[in-house]
Amino acid sequence: GAGVSQSPRYKVAKRGQDVALRCDPISGHVSLFWYQQALGQGPEFLTYFQNEAQLDKSGLPSDRFFAERPEGSVSTLKIQRTQQEDSAVYLCASSLSGGTQDTQYFGPGTRLTVL
Amino acid sequence: RKEVEQDPGPFNVPEGATVAFNCTYSNSASQSFFWYRQDCRKEPKLLMSVYSSGNEDGRFTAQLNRASQYISLLIRDSKLSDSATYLCVVEENAGKSTFGDGTTLTVKP
Repeated sequence: GAGVSQSPRYKVAKRGQDVALRCDPISGHVSLFWYQQALGQGPEFLTYFQNEAQLDKSGLPSDRFFAERPEGSVSTLKIQRTQQEDSAVYLCASSLSGGTQDTQYFGPGTRLTVL
Repeated sequence: RKEVEQDPGPFNVPEGATVAFNCTYSNSASQSFFWYRQDCRKEPKLLMSVYSSGNEDGRFTAQLNRASQYISLLIRDSKLSDSATYLCVVEENAGKSTFGDGTTLTVKP
């Protein structure tokens, strides 16, 4: 079956532009996660949804970052007024239930470059 | 200090070698532990969960020491295809996972 998909795969933005990154989780997966991965570092947690409810957004670095999952399936991560430090790979993951010990399946990521 | 710390690496080993990676975590209330593998410019993929009793999957053995807040991964009989970055992951609660920065392994012929 299809895995987690993300689009676009690559995005170049000028500083100050708004961007929207999309994640299509595995069908039927209840939980969805967003991570930010800078070069040479591990993924950093941004936010977590269970169905349409955003249960944890403690990792969002500033109020320029906003995520939604309105129908409990597809999710969008929006970054307003992008800055150079936002350049990173944004990874989306989904899991069947989101309980502890539940495997997270990652998408290929969106590589964002802010010029 | 990062919440999850790993050996800095890189590890360069010949085929057939045994290699061990270590990881420490700071939150004693952490509930679940994992090793993920990430190939260059690819997404992380689950390698194995780590249980208190220790667990083995083929050439891979993972161990957890809750008292010392320490996790390890042992790879025996290294293959060229084992070359990757290995990420230690600690789950504080359902939905919140903290990743280490990874240890890079290169297995050479």
